[in-house]
Amino acid sequence: GENVEQHPSTLSVQEGDSAVIKCTYSDSASNYFPWYKQELGKRPQLIIDIRSNVGEKKDQRIAVTLNKTAKHFSLHITETQPEDSAVYFCAASKATGFQKLVFGTGTRLLVSP
Amino acid sequence: NAGVTQTPKFRILKIGQSMTLQCTQDMNHNYMYWYRQDPGMGLKLIYYSVGAGITDKGEVPNGYNVSRSTTEDFPLRLELAAPSQTSVYFCASSSGGDTQYFGPGTRLTVL
Repeated sequence: GENVEQHPSTLSVQEGDSAVIKCTYSDSASNYFPWYKQELGKRPQLIIDIRSNVGEKKDQRIAVTLNKTAKHFSLHITETQPEDSAVYFCAASKATGFQKLVFGTGTRLLVSP
Repeated sequence: NAGVTQTPKFRILKIGQSMTLQCTQDMNHNYMYWYRQDPGMGLKLIYYSVGAGITDKGEVPNGYNVSRSTTEDFPLRLELAAPSQTSVYFCASSSGGDTQYFGPGTRLTVL
């Protein structure tokens, strides 16, 4: 089955710096790659996602890139702010509509003022 | 719209006890999911449902059961609780689109 690896497990940056989190997946049939943000004690919330027919997607300070050949995708956060501090999870799925997501183990991002 | 709601928020069980975690969504979503999240780990799919009356196993179904008698409700049953089932449980739902909406979670401790 699908296996998703995520790095780094923790990431500390200064406010205003950029942060990059990387994930690799094993199943070449996977075609949907969402990123979730989870604040302490809260539920995961979708922040951005990308499909396999797109190489890059941006939403304000957040972007995701996908390299299908290498089977990896990355989350980029620019101009980080303290409120970006959270755990970020990547996931992969090879279904559309109904999603059997396989999650990475998470990256704890700490943005220091 | 309340979205996805879960009860209870917290629960402590003794080994061997049983309980049902409740999940309800008011978005008329066909698809519903149960995940568990162990400390420092990602979410793992326990069971899922593609519609009323249809359920199937995910990655880690052992020790759990589900039912889906209505579109809105997707309860998760733990039989004979074990310490390995100590975790945070999240229910989620989605429509024909891709976004899964998560409930607030249930923190379960088995002692």
